[in-house]
Amino acid sequence: DTAVSQTPKYLVTQMGNDKSIKCEQNLGHDTMYWYKQDSKKFLKIMFSYNNKELIINETVPNRFSPKSPDKAHLNLHINSLELGDSAVYFCASSPLARDRVLSEAFFGQGTRLTVV
Amino acid sequence: LAKTTQPISMDSYEGQEVNITCSHNNIATNDYITWYQQFPSQGPRFIIQGYKTKVTNEVASLFIPADRKSSTLSLPRVSLSDTAVYYCLVGDIGGNNRKLIWGLGTSLAVNP
Repeated sequence: DTAVSQTPKYLVTQMGNDKSIKCEQNLGHDTMYWYKQDSKKFLKIMFSYNNKELIINETVPNRFSPKSPDKAHLNLHINSLELGDSAVYFCASSPLARDRVLSEAFFGQGTRLTVV
Repeated sequence: LAKTTQPISMDSYEGQEVNITCSHNNIATNDYITWYQQFPSQGPRFIIQGYKTKVTNEVASLFIPADRKSSTLSLPRVSLSDTAVYYCLVGDIGGNNRKLIWGLGTSLAVNP
């Protein structure tokens, strides 16, 4: 039973399209994240939600919008896709530790997005 | 701007101890240090986390000096299956200090 699941696993789309990546966690965690990993394997935090509240919102284009319908789901919507958006996107979740201290994050398998 | 620096790659042999050091000179008071392992086509996997001194679990040890400007992940007696990329992460999501700064990763190759 997958703890953090993302769909789809692969996504190939044309420039200018709008696409969504879904993420669900069944661990009962309070905090969820979206990361982007580029071709050089650099991991960059994009967003983080805690109990549906946005707590980290890094400098990413406005075309990227996270949506958290409940604390078990954090979806990523991308408008007007560009070639440079091609990357692997990881969803992750973590429990809310004491005093909101960072705790162990569990990652999904990733969504490989290719924009052509 | 906070930054974490780690070696790009390392080579080792089965059975050896491997130490990977991460430099984080601008670490903030509330920041924790966390290490992750990543295999190809998989998401990162948590290895160990610490704040200061030494932390040990069943797979690794983490050494953090008093000034906390660096940390060393120690993998005892590595095997071929430890070949992976290891990331150092510095940051926290508590209070007003909400940032997560990842290193560029150290690609560890364990040879027979």
